[in-house]
Amino acid sequence: AQRVTQPEKLLSVFKGAPVELKCNYSYSGSPELFWYVQYSRQRLQLLLRHISRESIKGFTADLNKGETSFHLKKPFAQEEDSAMYYCALSGQNTGRRALTFGSGTRLQVQP
Amino acid sequence: DVKVTQSSRYLVKRTGEKVFLECVQDMDHENMFWYRQDPGLGLRLIYFSYDVKMKEKGDIPEGYSVSREKKERFSLILESASTNQTSMYLCASTPQGARGNTIYFGEGSWLTVV
Repeated sequence: AQRVTQPEKLLSVFKGAPVELKCNYSYSGSPELFWYVQYSRQRLQLLLRHISRESIKGFTADLNKGETSFHLKKPFAQEEDSAMYYCALSGQNTGRRALTFGSGTRLQVQP
Repeated sequence: DVKVTQSSRYLVKRTGEKVFLECVQDMDHENMFWYRQDPGLGLRLIYFSYDVKMKEKGDIPEGYSVSREKKERFSLILESASTNQTSMYLCASTPQGARGNTIYFGEGSWLTVV
């Protein structure tokens, strides 16, 4: 079975402070990991995926297979980063394209 | 731009009513999904479909059924709505192929069962 854990329901930081949203997963094979974001009154959208090794809006995430983690990081938080963030996993079962999501972390960036 | 449209944004239904939630996507995607989103629980998969008339149960299918008669349309059905089905329902789609493909979400349908 695959499982995604986001231990923090709420993370509150001040503008300019570093941000780290934690994500741990459980999966016996080789997973694909994603971060999705939902801004207020907007639909859920992809932020980044580990296979791309990209930085989006200043956010990065590195897959650590030893620690089974995929933490989302940003060195300097901005107020517009305030949103709900979900970590998600896709398993190797090619018949199933559905993602397994964590419970989400709400990021509040205060001025 | 990929568009996933959920026709009903806000619904209020009575306990025991049959409820239909409709979802349409315009990008010829093979895979479509229904999730429910609850605070503290994240998104949980109800059902998904990888082709017309094909469906598979997700993690929480009890109390729900689905219909996929056309490729672009995926309907979620609550046969007899109950108060514990009050939630935000999200439809999503993605093309066939690599599992790293982006999944596109609709805006969601807020369902309240009274």
